[in-house]
Amino acid sequence: GAGVSQSPSNKVTEKGKDVELRCDPISGHTALYWYRQSLGQGLEFLIYFQGNSAPDKSGLPSDRFSAERTGGSVSTLTIQRTQQEDSAVYLCASRGQVNTEAFFGQGTRLTVV
Amino acid sequence: KNEVEQSPQNLTAQEGEFITINCSYSVGISALHWLQQHPGGGIVSLFMLSSGKKKHGRLIATINIQEKHSSLHITASHPRDSAVYICADYSGGSNYKLTFGKGTLLTVNP
Repeated sequence: GAGVSQSPSNKVTEKGKDVELRCDPISGHTALYWYRQSLGQGLEFLIYFQGNSAPDKSGLPSDRFSAERTGGSVSTLTIQRTQQEDSAVYLCASRGQVNTEAFFGQGTRLTVV
Repeated sequence: KNEVEQSPQNLTAQEGEFITINCSYSVGISALHWLQQHPGGGIVSLFMLSSGKKKHGRLIATINIQEKHSSLHITASHPRDSAVYICADYSGGSNYKLTFGKGTLLTVNP
């Protein structure tokens, strides 16, 4: 596609429910990142994919968080048993070659009530 | 561990003023990224640079690799420049990892 696409753009969920957030990277981009931005905070790294593998999952805050990427393209970030502290904007970015710029999606605003 | 620090955290200016935002990092990097985020908006890439200077319209970015420092300058600032400006660097063994500064909130008053 022309840019990084994320869906849904907004998600309100009840505490304890599971949610899935989707990222469609730019076609051909092998690197894919998930970040989280809480209200008034900076960007927090969650996970990085190179192709379908995730060499760096160090930013996932707990085992309730998982992510996968299939076909070297679409990625899904899953949060199980959501908590109120999970409320944030979840941003996805993709990048082509090493040292080229990353492009960001518009984000998914998750609100856990 | 690489750390990226920006200053100032908040900056208020009058329209027309020259703006400078600074970014320092602790680990040798391959490239540095300047990004812009308008309130409630997405993140847009402004520059990526690994040496010297880049210019785009009223925006100028410079980097000094030896001093591990980069600056973003805005000339003839305008209220529409009001946004959060974020620097991020590529580091890590495979130069894949982006480490972000906390951002600088710029407000330009008319």
